[in-house]
Amino acid sequence: QKEVEQNSGPLSVPEGAIASLNCTYSDRGSQSFFWYRQYSGKSPELIMFIYSNGDKEDGRFTAQLNKASQYVSLLIRDSQPSDSATYLCAVNAPDSWGKLQFGAGTQVVVTP
Amino acid sequence: EAGVTQSPTHLIKTRGQQATLRCSPISGHTSVYWYQQALGLGLQFLLWYDEGEERNRGNFPPRFSGRQFPNYSSELNVNALELEDSALYLCASSFIGGRTEAFFGQGTRLTVV
Repeated sequence: QKEVEQNSGPLSVPEGAIASLNCTYSDRGSQSFFWYRQYSGKSPELIMFIYSNGDKEDGRFTAQLNKASQYVSLLIRDSQPSDSATYLCAVNAPDSWGKLQFGAGTQVVVTP
Repeated sequence: EAGVTQSPTHLIKTRGQQATLRCSPISGHTSVYWYQQALGLGLQFLLWYDEGEERNRGNFPPRFSGRQFPNYSSELNVNALELEDSALYLCASSFIGGRTEAFFGQGTRLTVV
């Protein structure tokens, strides 16, 4: 059973629209949640982190966490072609500190 | 502020050889993590070092090993290289091991021929 699951995509989004990415995790004790963006052939870049239930906004990005339902989501508003990348969800649980569990990633393609 | 730096950027080795990859964390970070990302696959956790000690290890054979130096830099050693070890090796660092955000270096692309 995969510990962190994401839809692989690709998720095609028109320029200017909202991209919605979802991630579910299996460890109910997870406490730290991260979204990374990875361009092809490059290393992951941290774009959002969230530790508490609810929404967290940073510029065009909003992370949403619901621990009861064990999911975390990322919204990208006003999507731009430069947002085309793979988005990785990562989760850290107390019983495995330091071992960030990554999902396989969702590929987002923003079309002009 | 300098980010996480890794060297070399690219490394080509022959099957059976040893590879050494290096990582310098962000200043002030004491934790270093190593991940393997094979082509088209997800990130697989290799090792976590904090304050010079190995704190956690992923499901990799013992020929994958490493260490962390007093200045918190780290190296990853892969012995008896196999073709399937070809991958992007990523190093990340953070404050307070495992409890805060981790930032990645640019990676080392290891090719085993």
